[in-house]
Amino acid sequence: QKEVEQNSGPLSVPEGAIASLNCTYSDRVSQSFFWYRQYSGKSPELIMSIYSNGDKEDGRFTAQLNKASQYVSLLIRDSQPSDSATYLCAVKGNDYKLSFGAGTTVTVRA
Amino acid sequence: GAGVSQSPSNKVTEKGKDVELRCDPISGHTALYWYRQSLGQGLEFLIYFQGNSAPDKSGLPSDRFSAERTGGSVSTLTIQRTQQEDSAVYLCASSLAASSGDTQYFGPGTRLTVL
Repeated sequence: QKEVEQNSGPLSVPEGAIASLNCTYSDRVSQSFFWYRQYSGKSPELIMSIYSNGDKEDGRFTAQLNKASQYVSLLIRDSQPSDSATYLCAVKGNDYKLSFGAGTTVTVRA
Repeated sequence: GAGVSQSPSNKVTEKGKDVELRCDPISGHTALYWYRQSLGQGLEFLIYFQGNSAPDKSGLPSDRFSAERTGGSVSTLTIQRTQQEDSAVYLCASSLAASSGDTQYFGPGTRLTVL
């Protein structure tokens, strides 16, 4: 069982600031890591995937993975009101099953 | 191309009735997954299909839940004798294959309300 824990939130940041989201997982054999964004009443939408230790940047989003610490994070730079959503961390091992954290709700204040 | 589609988008039913939820995956995706998201909770894995086979049904909450997939495409999740605790959003996802690196793409979900 790949337990996935996320910082509880909610997280409120001013527009233009950096939002930092954290996720830890329990299963050391986890190999693939994903961040999904879920707007209220909508389905999850993939925003980042990361497979190797280090940083991966895509636009205003940066994912960071540290397998030794079993830790993955997501940074949102220059936060915009449109970034207000719940962010789900998901972890996959050698198999097909995604294990999700409970999510962190982010509110960007204009 | 078209994403994952699900129907109906909303379903209201009375306790004890049976419901069928449908998922149409992205064309060419061999793997299909059902998840459930209850209010304020994370996504809970229900079942996974590789082609028409369901190697893992471990997430199904009870024997009232069943699912099938035909032609390696459309899947139906059936809940018999619905209970109020079955109220949730049922999400379907598909991926190209089922290897660890494959991304799962989600459909819009079916919101089930059991009165």
